[in-house]
Amino acid sequence: EAEVAQSPRYKITEKSQAVAFWCDPISGHATLYWYRQILGQGPELLVQFQDESVVDDSQLPKDRFSAERLKGVDSTLKIQPAELGDSAMYLCASSLSGELFFGEGSRLTVL
Amino acid sequence: AQKVTQAQTEISVVEKEDVTLDCVYETRDTTYYLFWYKQPPSGELVFLIRRNSFDEQNEISGRYSWNFQKSTSSFNFTITASQVVDSAVYFCALRNMNTGFQKLVFGTGTRLLVSP
Repeated sequence: EAEVAQSPRYKITEKSQAVAFWCDPISGHATLYWYRQILGQGPELLVQFQDESVVDDSQLPKDRFSAERLKGVDSTLKIQPAELGDSAMYLCASSLSGELFFGEGSRLTVL
Repeated sequence: AQKVTQAQTEISVVEKEDVTLDCVYETRDTTYYLFWYKQPPSGELVFLIRRNSFDEQNEISGRYSWNFQKSTSSFNFTITASQVVDSAVYFCALRNMNTGFQKLVFGTGTRLLVSP
């Protein structure tokens, strides 16, 4: 069964360090999303791609976060420098036209 | 603007009880989708159902049923004869199809604890 792949599954880092997350969406899904889920809250959209183009990054803290999807397939989300408040689950999702399919997420802990 | 409210933070039931999870939404779009996702302890969001704004028919899938009422902007989820494996956090979500780049907006979730 096709699924959204994410790595790493867990990441522990110290504040001020750089961290990167990778996502490989379901084949053929043009839309890719990065969500952040803080413990006890619902996921919040960070950035949305349509193919290789960003269509919504209004909630992305652009001073420290960046995202790219160079060939319109897999995507990387980077944080530099990481802060304590960035500790969260980072979820990637893809869709074709309807429901979003989510990966297992990357859990980040910033010490 | 779009908003999803799940007023119930946590619900505890005993196995075999029926339980209803509430969801109220706000949107100005006339075309939208509503979703329910399940998030078990492993963290992955599992898709349960999608309902479009033009289809108010209630749906039943096994022990799960959904009640969509546009008049009250609600999309409630009922689990009949709950089981321990139903323990998870459940999220209701809204996706506008006319505005907002069609992003999916989630509620804060309801944690369901089913004890044996």
